[in-house]
Amino acid sequence: ETGVTQSPTHLIKTRGQQVTLRCSSQSGHNTVSWYQQALGQGPQFIFQYYREEENGRGNFPPRFSGLQFPNYSSELNVNALELDDSALYLCASSLNGLGYMNTEAFFGQGTRLTVV
Amino acid sequence: DAKTTQPNSMESNEEEPVHLPCNHSTISGTDYIHWYRQLPSQGPEYVIHGLTSNVNNRMASLAIAEDRKSSTLILHRATLRDAAVYYCIPMEYGNKLVFGAGTILRVKS
Repeated sequence: ETGVTQSPTHLIKTRGQQVTLRCSSQSGHNTVSWYQQALGQGPQFIFQYYREEENGRGNFPPRFSGLQFPNYSSELNVNALELDDSALYLCASSLNGLGYMNTEAFFGQGTRLTVV
Repeated sequence: DAKTTQPNSMESNEEEPVHLPCNHSTISGTDYIHWYRQLPSQGPEYVIHGLTSNVNNRMASLAIAEDRKSSTLILHRATLRDAAVYYCIPMEYGNKLVFGAGTILRVKS
């Protein structure tokens, strides 16, 4: 059973550019969530995908978008990068989305994005 | 989202028990209480969760107050590897984890 893997591990982008971050979920997990963690703060929920559909979104603008593929891997896309987008982006996979609170999420190591 | 209150930081000696408190007075009756921790330079890691009764697993124990307005994560013998930020998270419908600031646990050798 493989864990959650994210790529790339580190990335430097220029303000205004676009970025795509990737996440492979744990085997058998159909739910992927994305979080943004600024330095010194707790992770903030961006959105969640369950069986290829977005089924929850945090307080992030539309330039943050995502996809989930049939194999349940996922992408996070951020357009028009701003300096404040510099953060650790975390992906978490779990089994079942809506209504399943009695489950645990498995996190990847994250992608460190720096916007200059 | 249920609000949580945790100490900013705590310190423990190695090999001693650690009790990490969390207040969640606005928790709803169906919210599970989850605990995650985040070691330096890593993603969060699941520790334990429960609904009403106390729970034990290989990592820790979770003691939940009878009124469910508070809980305590218990590490029975702290090791240096347990130094991390510990997050208490009432899990609401929708399987969304809402992280607060957490408690920074420092373990002294």
